[in-house]
Amino acid sequence: KAGVTQTPRYLIKTRGQQVTLSCSPISGHRSVSWYQQTPGQGLQFLFEYFSETQRNKGNFPGRFSGRQFSNSRSEMNVSTLELGDSALYLCASSLALQDYEQYFGPGTRLTVT
Amino acid sequence: AQSVTQLGSHVSVSEGALVLLRCNYSSSVPPYLFWYVQYPNQGLQLLLKYTTGATLVKGINGFEAEFKKSETSFHLTKPSAHMSDAAEYFCAVSYNNNDMRFGAGTRLTVKP
Repeated sequence: KAGVTQTPRYLIKTRGQQVTLSCSPISGHRSVSWYQQTPGQGLQFLFEYFSETQRNKGNFPGRFSGRQFSNSRSEMNVSTLELGDSALYLCASSLALQDYEQYFGPGTRLTVT
Repeated sequence: AQSVTQLGSHVSVSEGALVLLRCNYSSSVPPYLFWYVQYPNQGLQLLLKYTTGATLVKGINGFEAEFKKSETSFHLTKPSAHMSDAAEYFCAVSYNNNDMRFGAGTRLTVKP
């Protein structure tokens, strides 16, 4: 069974631009969560989607948004990029809500210049 | 608010020595507890988890952890370190959803 895939793996953007990251969960998994990982703040929860609905949200500004499609694939979008948005963005999938066994993708490394 | 503290941002052991990575959580309600490992340029891999039941949990690659409610701890151990264990390890807690709170991480170095 294929694991969680994230595209692209690396991305360089300029301050003020917007970016969209994609995550394909493991087949059969319906819950997708997003995390931001930085050296300073560590791993922080962004949001979780299940059945195309955002179920939970972390403490991030409205510039960070996401969505989930009917096939459970998810995208996250960051608008008006700031230098501080440079990070590794990790996607994790699980079978359902309140399923504590999450499987992580390799991440997308975003660099904002 | 729930939080996780990992004692020691860097731990160095010799190959064959005991690995002990410390994790404490702050909550009066026992959470669900996890240990993840992250190798360079990769995502996180679940090592083991505690939800209910037996407090000694065995995971992959010879790792195990014991949930001690009285100490609010969930330390990760491995009897004999291997070079391939060198990585960053994260302790995490969750209560009733997939909103996991991670510790700051402990980088494990294994010396030959």
